[in-house]
Amino acid sequence: AQKVTQAQTEISVVEKEDVTLDCVYETRDTTYYLFWYKQPPSGELVFLIRRNSFDEQNEISGRYSWNFQKSTSSFNFTITASQVVDSAVYFCALSGELYNDYKLSFGAGTTVTVRA
Amino acid sequence: KAGVTQTPRYLIKTRGQQVTLSCSPISGHRSVSWYQQTPGQGLQFLFEYFSETQRNKGNFPGRFSGRQFSNSRSEMNVSTLELGDSALYLCASSSVLGGHEQYFGPGTRLTVT
Repeated sequence: AQKVTQAQTEISVVEKEDVTLDCVYETRDTTYYLFWYKQPPSGELVFLIRRNSFDEQNEISGRYSWNFQKSTSSFNFTITASQVVDSAVYFCALSGELYNDYKLSFGAGTTVTVRA
Repeated sequence: KAGVTQTPRYLIKTRGQQVTLSCSPISGHRSVSWYQQTPGQGLQFLFEYFSETQRNKGNFPGRFSGRQFSNSRSEMNVSTLELGDSALYLCASSSVLGGHEQYFGPGTRLTVT
């Protein structure tokens, strides 16, 4: 069984503060994929990043960065110098290859509120 | 390239009725997945279709069904609606089956009264 845990339910910060979202996963697959999605108030899930289990390199994209640590089964997401437009619900998700089951298993989500 | 489109965007139905939701994937994408999002259960996988075949199904009752057409468009149907079926139904498409990023549509907000 696959499981994704996002321990933080809500985070509130003031603009320009950094915010880190935690994601811990469980899987028996040796090959798996990790994702982050953003869901603004409009409701559409926006794809942010995909990582496969063999690629532990951290990644930076503008103000976003991701830290993948297989040893602790974590895939954390940091927003640097947050902006009001970053306010959204962020979901971490996991997809495995066991039995060709590629469905996304989502965490409960973390609501980020950035105040001006 | 146009994104994933879903119709209708909003729907109000009465208990016992049935409903059909439609999803058009990104052009060239052959995999379509459906998810249900509720405040209590979060995002849950319903089913996935690839090349008109259901490849995977989540833990939902048989009242939930779907299909995919030769042009990759997909529909999902819920029969004998219950109050608990009120949710945001999200469709996602992917270029291939397996482990690749899925791109989501805006969703259909279904309210059952």
